[in-house]
Amino acid sequence: QKEVEQNSGPLSVPEGAIASLNCTYSDRGSQSFFWYRQYSGKSPELIMFIYSNGDKEDGRFTAQLNKASQYVSLLIRDSQPSDSATYLCALNTGGFKTIFGAGTRLFVKA
Amino acid sequence: DVKVTQSSRYLVKRTGEKVFLECVQDMDHENMFWYRQDPGLGLRLIYFSYDVKMKEKGDIPEGYSVSREKKERFSLILESASTNQTSMYLCASSSGQAGETQYFGPGTRLLVL
Repeated sequence: QKEVEQNSGPLSVPEGAIASLNCTYSDRGSQSFFWYRQYSGKSPELIMFIYSNGDKEDGRFTAQLNKASQYVSLLIRDSQPSDSATYLCALNTGGFKTIFGAGTRLFVKA
Repeated sequence: DVKVTQSSRYLVKRTGEKVFLECVQDMDHENMFWYRQDPGLGLRLIYFSYDVKMKEKGDIPEGYSVSREKKERFSLILESASTNQTSMYLCASSSGQAGETQYFGPGTRLLVL
């Protein structure tokens, strides 16, 4: 089992809809969770981080963490074509290493 | 804003050549990382460094070495490039606290012929 699992997609949603991206992980000791966005040919850029169970909102983005079920999700409200990218889930178990998922490709149709 | 720069965006080398990839960050970060990214495999950690002259192997260190002589600079060395090292190489840095956000450079796309 991979340490961080994401559906590779592509996930296709119409403009204005809610995009829901999910990630499961295997290490119960994971402490910090991150969502990065990566446009084609570019490097990853941080969207959000979350440490505690529950929801964290930042503009159109909401990160949700459920440590008991070992999943973390990212909701994008009012999706825009500019949100089309690969979204990487990442986590840290307390050391210096961050473990990344392979990413989910999101396509927002205009 | 954190700025991480990498010496080259694109690089073409021949099998057997020694290749140097340079990374510089300007935020006085203690930690620096080298990843490679391949389709379907995601980001894989090659090496990281948590202090000057300190280095730790990541998940795929074979065929690579690193150097960190100054805090702001972290170099990745391919001692003898091979075609299976064709990839996108990403450098990242983070502050001293474990679990902190990593900031990435623009990446170097390396092609080994």
